[in-house]
Amino acid sequence: DTAVSQTPKYLVTQMGNDKSIKCEQNLGHDTMYWYKQDSKKFLKIMFSYNNKELIINETVPNRFSPKSPDKAHLNLHINSLELGDSAVYFCASSPNSPSRLPYNEQFFGPGTRLTVL
Amino acid sequence: AQSVTQLGSHVSVSEGALVLLRCNYSSSVPPYLFWYVQYPNQGLQLLLKYTTGATLVKGINGFEAEFKKSETSFHLTKPSAHMSDAAEYFCAAQGGSEKLVFGKGTKLTVNP
Repeated sequence: DTAVSQTPKYLVTQMGNDKSIKCEQNLGHDTMYWYKQDSKKFLKIMFSYNNKELIINETVPNRFSPKSPDKAHLNLHINSLELGDSAVYFCASSPNSPSRLPYNEQFFGPGTRLTVL
Repeated sequence: AQSVTQLGSHVSVSEGALVLLRCNYSSSVPPYLFWYVQYPNQGLQLLLKYTTGATLVKGINGFEAEFKKSETSFHLTKPSAHMSDAAEYFCAAQGGSEKLVFGKGTKLTVNP
């Protein structure tokens, strides 16, 4: 069984479109994350949710909006897509709120490769 | 601010040779440290972690890392490289905040 899954795996779209990426974890974890990995493989955290509550919101354009309908799901919606949004987006989860668990061991999904034309 | 530096964006070794991937961190508090591996077109997978206790940490696939506080380092090693070890390796650190900070990654190539 896949622990952290993301759909779609590949997403090719035109500039200006709106798209969503879905993430689900079946590990029973409380915290979920979105990361962006650029073409140079640099990983940058975007958002983190704990029990459906936003706890980390990095400097990300407000075209990006995360939504957590329940603690097992964290979706990422992107409005007005731009060329610079092309990247691989990773979802991750960790067992507990980082402020309660001393260390933040994260489990990653397989990634969604977004290409904006 | 916390940071993680991986020396060498590319490391190339021969099959059977020692693998050494370097990681240095800066943290105002004792950190928790992690190494992740990313195989082509896949997500990141935890190789090993240091939280407390023994400073030499063993992970999966024969990798190990040693936490050296005096050198603020957490280098990853494997005595004998295998072709299947070819991947991108990321060092990560968590200091006083909840955020996990990643290094820029090191691409390991294993030559036959």
